[in-house]
Amino acid sequence: ETGVTQSPTHLIKTRGQQVTLRCSSQSGHNTVSWYQQALGQGPQFIFQYYREEENGRGNFPPRFSGLQFPNYSSELNVNALELDDSALYLCASSSPNIGGGGELFFGEGSRLTVL
Amino acid sequence: AQKVTQAQTEISVVEKEDVTLDCVYETRDTTYYLFWYKQPPSGELVFLIRRNSFDEQNEISGRYSWNFQKSTSSFNFTITASQVVDSAVYFCALSEAFIDAGNKLTFGGGTRVLVKP
Repeated sequence: ETGVTQSPTHLIKTRGQQVTLRCSSQSGHNTVSWYQQALGQGPQFIFQYYREEENGRGNFPPRFSGLQFPNYSSELNVNALELDDSALYLCASSSPNIGGGGELFFGEGSRLTVL
Repeated sequence: AQKVTQAQTEISVVEKEDVTLDCVYETRDTTYYLFWYKQPPSGELVFLIRRNSFDEQNEISGRYSWNFQKSTSSFNFTITASQVVDSAVYFCALSEAFIDAGNKLTFGGGTRVLVKP
C-alpha cells in the first residue's frame, strides 16, 4: 500500500514569489487536507478537498489555494509569499468520513523557507 | 471556537519510566473526537489513538493508555515503560463531528518527549 508522498521535500523562495506543493494521497483515499506547521508549533488546518472540491477551510487568506485532481492527488498553491509562510506543509489523506473522526495519514511534509 | 492546550512543552525521562502527557480542550460541541498523534524527526504525523466524546471508558493499547475525563475536558495520554524510540513530539487534537467536518483537526502545541537510555 503506497503511503502519502509529498514533493518537494525542501524549497527556498523569496518574498513575493509563488510556490506549488504537491501531494499524492494514499491508495483508496479520496479526501486530502493540508496543514501548515510553523517551527515549534502544532499543525494548523488550511483546507480540505473531497471529490475535487474544497470542503472546509481554516483561517488562511485567499492567496492560499488548492486543487484536487481526478486521481485524488492535490496541490497547494501560495501566492505573494511572506516571511511568515516559512513552515512545514503537511498533506494528509483519508477515506470519506462525513461525520469527522477519521484517521488521517500524513506525508513527511514540504519544508518551505521564505527569505 | 475549538482550542487544545498542551501545557507541557518538553518532558525528559530515562528509559523504562512512564510518561504522562496532559491535554485540555475547549469546544462548544456536544459530539466530538479526540486524538493523539506522534511526530518523529522525519516529520510525518502518526496516528496513535482516537476517542469519541460519548465514550469515556479508558483503555490500554499495548504500552499506550489514555484517561478521558469529559467533566474536566481533559484527554491525557500515558506511555508505559518508555523506550528510546518513543522520543518524538506528541500532539493532542480535536475534531468536530458533524456532516461537513470532514477531517479538520485542531491541534495543540505539542509536547516533546525525550527518552534517554
